[in-house]
Amino acid sequence: RKEVEQDPGPFNVPEGATVAFNCTYSNSASQSFFWYRQDCRKEPKLLMSVYSSGNEDGRFTAQLNRASQYISLLIRDSKLSDSATYLCVVTLSGSARQLTFGSGTQLTVLP
Amino acid sequence: GAGVSQSPRYKVAKRGQDVALRCDPISGHVSLFWYQQALGQGPEFLTYFQNEAQLDKSGLPSDRFFAERPEGSVSTLKIQRTQQEDSAVYLCASSHQTGLGLRIETNEQFFGPGTRLTVL
Repeated sequence: RKEVEQDPGPFNVPEGATVAFNCTYSNSASQSFFWYRQDCRKEPKLLMSVYSSGNEDGRFTAQLNRASQYISLLIRDSKLSDSATYLCVVTLSGSARQLTFGSGTQLTVLP
Repeated sequence: GAGVSQSPRYKVAKRGQDVALRCDPISGHVSLFWYQQALGQGPEFLTYFQNEAQLDKSGLPSDRFFAERPEGSVSTLKIQRTQQEDSAVYLCASSHQTGLGLRIETNEQFFGPGTRLTVL
């Protein structure tokens, strides 16, 4: 079983739609949580950190449920430019913050 | 300012050939990480340096993989006797802090563009 599991998609949605991605992690000692975005043939870039209280950045909302070991990302009013692969990422307590990635969920926003 | 750079961007190697992949981290960044990303997968951790010290190499898939960072700046990932299963994108990332601080922002890892290795 992979340490971080995501629905691989692909998700194809029209512009303006709301789309939600889910992720589960297996190690209860996981300490930090992130969503990264990776465009085709580019490097991953940090989209946002995820906190237990939930956090929002514009159209993006991230939630963490430690009890269920579940992380989510909600994108509202999706834009064409949101098309990318979204990677769920965790780090383990006591590690040097090496990142453990899920396989990613591919999103295509259609005109 | 300049980000993380990697060279070469693309490398084609014949099976059995040795390759060396270079990473130039952001100036002043203490931590440096190497990841391997196979097609359709997320990156997987290979090894970690704090300055010149290699503190974790648990992700290196075999003893054919070797990494160094002798002066605490530039790092080289070397793969000996390449095999077809080594074909992947090799990503380097650097961060300012050691990862043990409380501020998540200073521990953000910045990735280079990667080296796409194809072994024939």
